[in-house]
Amino acid sequence: AQSVSQHNHHVILSEAASLELGCNYSYGGTVNLFWYVQYPGQHLQLLLKYFSGDPLVKGIKGFEAEFIKSKFSFNLRKPSVQWSDTAEYFCAVKENNAGNMLTFGGGTRLMVKP
Amino acid sequence: DTEVTQTPKHLVMGMTNKKSLKCEQHMGHRAMYWYKQKAKKPPELMFVYSYEKLSINESVPSRFSPECPNSSLLNLHLHALQPEDSALYLCASSQRDQGTAANGYTFGSGTRLTVV
Repeated sequence: AQSVSQHNHHVILSEAASLELGCNYSYGGTVNLFWYVQYPGQHLQLLLKYFSGDPLVKGIKGFEAEFIKSKFSFNLRKPSVQWSDTAEYFCAVKENNAGNMLTFGGGTRLMVKP
Repeated sequence: DTEVTQTPKHLVMGMTNKKSLKCEQHMGHRAMYWYKQKAKKPPELMFVYSYEKLSINESVPSRFSPECPNSSLLNLHLHALQPEDSALYLCASSQRDQGTAANGYTFGSGTRLTVV
């Protein structure tokens, strides 16, 4: 069965620091990859997605992620975080043969200090 | 319309009550989902509907009963819930054919359920 690992459970950064959140998955076949953000008290919002093509994908709010197939990874990056980026970040993976099921990682809680 | 709308936003119910959560989308998506999210945890899949038919039930207790009356609506009927069922219940939708699903999944804002 598919599993998605986010190794950083809590991350604390100061404003303007660079961010990288790790995401690894276990499935060896073709996958679709997503990063979602959930601001406090709000619903999940899609940050970015990878389906095919350029493995470096750019999303909203200055976020980007790189798909490295050989490492089964899809790490999220932002060069300079802001206080407003304080939120929970979820990586999610869909296997192309899994009937549309989306499997989430455990989430990373990011706190940005002003 | 590019949203998934869930009602109510908040619900408090007793363990003997019967209530329903509603979800609606008008994006033409033919796959709809119910997820459960406990505090500080990732969403967990409960049910998947594809073309109005239940395709996945992740071993959810029978006190949760999903219903998909048409391609735009998804309900979750609740009966005899337990306090540990208190959570945020999220509805999502996606295009059935993931080869053209350029936008992936769209999530609603959820119903925050408290069982007392």
